[in-house]
Amino acid sequence: QSALTQPASVSGSPGQSITISCTGTSSDVGGYNYVSWYQQHPGKAPKLMICDVSNRPSGVSNRFSGSKSGNTASLTISGLQAEDEADYYCSSYTSSSTYVFGTGTKVTVL
Amino acid sequence: EVQLVESGGGLVKPGGSLRLSCAASEFTFSSYSMNWVRQPPGKGLEWVSSISNSGSYIYYADSVKGRFTISRDNAKNSLYLHMNSLRAEDTAIYYCAREATFSNAQDYWGQGTLVTVSS
Repeated sequence: QSALTQPASVSGSPGQSITISCTGTSSDVGGYNYVSWYQQHPGKAPKLMICDVSNRPSGVSNRFSGSKSGNTASLTISGLQAEDEADYYCSSYTSSSTYVFGTGTKVTVL
Repeated sequence: EVQLVESGGGLVKPGGSLRLSCAASEFTFSSYSMNWVRQPPGKGLEWVSSISNSGSYIYYADSVKGRFTISRDNAKNSLYLHMNSLRAEDTAIYYCAREATFSNAQDYWGQGTLVTVSS
């Protein structure tokens, strides 16, 4: 199972919106509405930010939103803040009943 | 607050074995599927294995199939990963992660335990 494809880095100024893409195949992203997104600060464990493509778990800021079209999912962070600077990973359930993570995107707040 | 605490990591020689443990607390462990996810130093996340709440359903990444075995003891609120025939590329932080009941996603993660495979 190949990793999902994400851009290596995305940057934006405080207050701006940024979008991170996550491209897979019909056997993972395109086949199920089970795409999730994780935020990871340096030296910390990942934190679930979005599940089921666009659902925010309790406690996650509504500045984070998710969507999907075909084999590509997206995470949008609006009103970018300094604390959003972190690595972001997408993940998808697959046709083999396994999971596959994305390659990861480093978000920089300018 | 849900707690997941991994242990058992360390330095092991190529070809060696290691058993990781994950102690769970503050939730009904026997009701949740569990996962192991790893992260090589400075690199991305890789899903390793999952086990259903009863242990009836088990899945592995191709990269560890035949070498790693996931198991659980619901009476002890513990998750395990038995790792054999270890390779240098297995060097990583290993995270224990709970699978959400409301989604196919990992909603709580431990802090991880570092496994280093080196001669």
